[in-house]
Amino acid sequence: SQKIEQNSEALNIQEGKTATLTCNYTNYSPAYLQWYRQDPGRGPVFLLLIRENEKEKRKERLKVTFDTTLKQSLFHITASQPADSATYLCALDIKGNTPLVFGKGTRLSVIA
Amino acid sequence: DAGITQSPRYKITETGRQVTLMCHQTWSHSYMFWYRQDLGHGLRLIYYSAAADITDKGEVPDGYVVSRSKTENFPLTLESATRSQTSVYFCASSGPGTSVADTQYFGPGTRLTVL
Repeated sequence: SQKIEQNSEALNIQEGKTATLTCNYTNYSPAYLQWYRQDPGRGPVFLLLIRENEKEKRKERLKVTFDTTLKQSLFHITASQPADSATYLCALDIKGNTPLVFGKGTRLSVIA
Repeated sequence: DAGITQSPRYKITETGRQVTLMCHQTWSHSYMFWYRQDLGHGLRLIYYSAAADITDKGEVPDGYVVSRSKTENFPLTLESATRSQTSVYFCASSGPGTSVADTQYFGPGTRLTVL
């Protein structure tokens, strides 16, 4: 069956460290993958998109990698800050005129 | 302000009542979506729409009705609310392209409680 999994429900890290979140998928061949941030009580907000032919994408302290062989995307936040605490969702474009498929998200807590 | 808005933000209703959640976007995006978000389930797609008068079922459409008479509005109706429909509902639109899988822009959500 088709699945999209984010490594853990919750991740706690110390301020200043690099946070690494994982998005794994099975039985999909996505054209691209997106990452969203969701704060409590708010809707998700788009952060980054990476295409299947791109290995890495950066935006300020954020970095996303996409390995179509491993069927995995890694989302890194360097020099993490308490303000980075939120839930992060990955979403796949699975092709075939179908809406994005969202993972359940990972709740990141950055501890000062 | 431009963007995507939802109303009401909070709603308490009783089992069996009809409830309509409103969604309005000002970007002229073709696609609009309704999701529900529950602990342990993440975002689940209820319905989506490619344009006015074109709608499709998502993962969990039972108990919900949608319409789209104008591009900018996409109301979601619970015809006879049940307790299992207690949830947070998010509306989204996608653009700037015309793909159903374009980047999505979410509204602030409606927290619905069915007693």
